[in-house]
Amino acid sequence: AQSVAQPEDQVNVAEGNPLTVKCTYSVSGNPYLFWYVQYPNRGLQFLLKYITGDNLVKGSYGFEAEFNKSQTSFHLKKPSALVSDSALYFCAVRDGNRDDKIIFGKGTRLHILP
Amino acid sequence: DAGVIQSPRHEVTEMGQEVTLRCKPISGHNSLFWYRQTMMRGLELLIYFNNNVPIDDSGMPEDRFSAKMPNASFSTLKIQPSEPRDSAVYFCASSLGGRLPYEQYFGPGTRLTVT
Repeated sequence: AQSVAQPEDQVNVAEGNPLTVKCTYSVSGNPYLFWYVQYPNRGLQFLLKYITGDNLVKGSYGFEAEFNKSQTSFHLKKPSALVSDSALYFCAVRDGNRDDKIIFGKGTRLHILP
Repeated sequence: DAGVIQSPRHEVTEMGQEVTLRCKPISGHNSLFWYRQTMMRGLELLIYFNNNVPIDDSGMPEDRFSAKMPNASFSTLKIQPSEPRDSAVYFCASSLGGRLPYEQYFGPGTRLTVT
């Protein structure tokens, strides 16, 4: 079965520093991976996705993610964190058996410290 | 586009009452998803539809929960009778659907409190 793991419940980063939110995946076929962000009292918002091609995927709000097949990872990154990046971040993978269904990780809460 | 629309935004009801949550997906999207989010269980997929047909309802907790999609622009999630443990934020999401991995667009959610 397809799955994703987000090993950190919370990540704290000082404003202006680079940030990384980790995600590892397990799939039986081609990995289709997503990152979503959830701000307080809001629904999830799509940030970026990996389907195929370049291992570095660029998304919204200056975020990018690096796909690493050998390490089965898809870490979310940003060169310089903003206080407004503080939110809950979800990694997700498409369920290979169901084209439309995606499996979400449990989420990582990112705190950017001013 | 207005995005995914959910109503009501907040619902407070007493145990045993019927609750109906409503969702209008983005026009042109043919897949619709209902999720539930709680602190304890995180984000759970309850059911999803493709072209108005329920495809996977394995996440529906029990017979008290039911969902319908009578047409491409409207879906409901009903809980009857409601229980305190149903208190959660319920999200509706839609996507273009199909073989390509399209992203899902989420509504603002309905915060349900059952007392």
